[in-house]
Amino acid sequence: GAVVSQHPSWVICKSGTSVKIECRSLDFQATTMFWYRQFPKQSLMLMATSNEGSKATYEQGVEKDKFLINHASLTLSTLTVTSAHPEDSSFYICSARDSRGVPTYEQYFGPGTRLTVT
Amino acid sequence: DQQVKQNSPSLSVQEGRISILNCDYTNSMFDYFLWYKKYPAEGPTFLISISSIKDKNEDGRFTVFLNKSAKHLSLHIVPSQPGDSAVYFCAASVSDTGRRALTFGSGTRLQVQP
Repeated sequence: GAVVSQHPSWVICKSGTSVKIECRSLDFQATTMFWYRQFPKQSLMLMATSNEGSKATYEQGVEKDKFLINHASLTLSTLTVTSAHPEDSSFYICSARDSRGVPTYEQYFGPGTRLTVT
Repeated sequence: DQQVKQNSPSLSVQEGRISILNCDYTNSMFDYFLWYKKYPAEGPTFLISISSIKDKNEDGRFTVFLNKSAKHLSLHIVPSQPGDSAVYFCAASVSDTGRRALTFGSGTRLQVQP
């Protein structure tokens, strides 16, 4: 149980275009999902918290107009990188917290999406 | 300002021996800690966690120790196996924020030699 999928697993796009990444909780409901970014040999940096049915909460320094987050259902959150530039190239990982039962800290992570902007 | 620090970027251990991975934190508000394991090009997988009301939690070969006064936690893997080779991240959270977002350390790459 507690499987999180991401699609696509990797994507190459041209500078100036937009890319959408999907994050799905496959066997549980998640009112809260998180989006992280990881640069090579660095830690996972939290970008934003995605809340089902409401606006996402962005971390300081993350442009909300550039990284659009939509959490339209209890099992799906999307991250759209708008007008992508080469500096947006990174490994994007989502995670989800199971909404059922006792509130927990544990997050289940997706496999990540490698974005390369040329 | 890194609130969670893993000062050893890498660690090499012989199979069968103990692996000890360390993590320090600066934010005294953190009250829950987790360890994740990550393989290249994959998302992290949860290993073990500990609440600040405890000083030790054990699950099979994995034990996490918490020293609140020193703001230090460690993950012990005994015995180490080649399949344990991965990057290990410690993470911390504050319970009184509804989000319970995780702050990650920079990771330690563990290599278990056969």
